[in-house]
Amino acid sequence: GQNIDQPTEMTATEGAIVQINCTYQTSGFNGLFWYQQHAGEAPTFLSYNVLDGLEEKGRFSSFLSRSKGYSYLLLKELQMKDSASYLCAVMDSNYQLIWGAGTKLIIKP
Amino acid sequence: DTEVTQTPKHLVMGMTNKKSLKCEQHMGHRAMYWYKQKAKKPPELMFVYSYEKLSINESVPSRFSPECPNSSLLNLHLHALQPEDSALYLCASSPTPLGGGETQYFGPGTRLLVL
Repeated sequence: GQNIDQPTEMTATEGAIVQINCTYQTSGFNGLFWYQQHAGEAPTFLSYNVLDGLEEKGRFSSFLSRSKGYSYLLLKELQMKDSASYLCAVMDSNYQLIWGAGTKLIIKP
Repeated sequence: DTEVTQTPKHLVMGMTNKKSLKCEQHMGHRAMYWYKQKAKKPPELMFVYSYEKLSINESVPSRFSPECPNSSLLNLHLHALQPEDSALYLCASSPTPLGGGETQYFGPGTRLLVL
């Protein structure tokens, strides 16, 4: 079966750094996406990894290890507006997105 | 124009009503998607349109009927819904259906309540 695991909830402090992990087992792999979703709003695209390594985009970075079926999203200099759910999604061999359940990130002052 | 728009933002309907959700994008994307999302759950794929043709139907009940009038528009017709169909309905688009690694861009969603 296809499975994507990520922590249900994480708490971090404003100004700090947090790493959200995602492990996956899917039928085929055509890339891994991270989306941010604020409560009641649509997911917004954050990053895409298809090759091993680190992709940096401002305060957000995403890492992929295909051999380990593992990715993480790193958020630096946390701001209160970063409080949201972070969804890991893998595109499988049929080019369909398989979604994780999401990690709710709570930022405290 | 880099956005997907959806109307209405909110919809309340009875179980005997007929209503439609609308989605529009002007990015030249040739794949469009309908997702359903319940609270605290990830989006669930319902339908995929590739080049205006229905390519994926994830065993969605017939009370949901999609329609793609042209490459920019996607509708979801609703009829005889059940209270458990209450959810956030998300439309998304991507440049090509089977391009591999194509990012899906989401609209703001329609929050549907079925009474």
